[in-house]
Amino acid sequence: DQQVKQNSPSLSVQEGRISILNCDYTNSMFDYFLWYKKYPAEGPTFLISISSIKDKNEDGRFTVFLNKSAKHLSLHIVPSQPGDSAVYFCAASVVVGGSYIPTFGRGTSLIVHP
Amino acid sequence: EPEVTQTPSHQVTQMGQEVILRCVPISNHLYFYWYRQILGQKVEFLVSFYNNEISEKSEIFDDQFSVERPDGSNFTLKIRSTKLEDSAMYFCASTMDGSRGYGYTFGSGTRLTVV
Repeated sequence: DQQVKQNSPSLSVQEGRISILNCDYTNSMFDYFLWYKKYPAEGPTFLISISSIKDKNEDGRFTVFLNKSAKHLSLHIVPSQPGDSAVYFCAASVVVGGSYIPTFGRGTSLIVHP
Repeated sequence: EPEVTQTPSHQVTQMGQEVILRCVPISNHLYFYWYRQILGQKVEFLVSFYNNEISEKSEIFDDQFSVERPDGSNFTLKIRSTKLEDSAMYFCASTMDGSRGYGYTFGSGTRLTVV
């Protein structure tokens, strides 16, 4: 049961270009979405999030877009840098028993070439 | 910057043995979680813990699993009788208030290998 899907296991981008990572979800009850970045031998690190009442949230080089009707969100990284090379997890949250429990996708491995 | 610390980084155990995975959450956080990631698969929620009790758990978190916060700083995950399919990376996480607005702070994980 994949409620959060990242259909591209990997993405390769040249330094300076835009990286676009995509995520689809099936549960219409999700109302908060997050992106995490993970380097090898480290835990996931919170990157950026967006509430379902918005369609865009920007933080420096990172922008998350949400299309609720399509149940789709994307993370844009502009410009991409070699240090952005990591696995990016999309996560979606719904309140369960008073707190939010994110459901994660399988991740997309981003490689940024110099 | 505050960190979530997990020990050990790698644990090898024989099938049927008990293992305890340890985590030290960020000191002023109040909500604690365990997730796992089987190699090549998604990060899966196991259990959340607040106010010294389990607040939510997934179907994965069966009677073989238990969590404890024995001394106010450590947060442990125990697997009573390990199975081969328990082999995975186990991540501990904590948050200040369980709010979706803050995201989670994850530890670096413990790689559990059951042989």
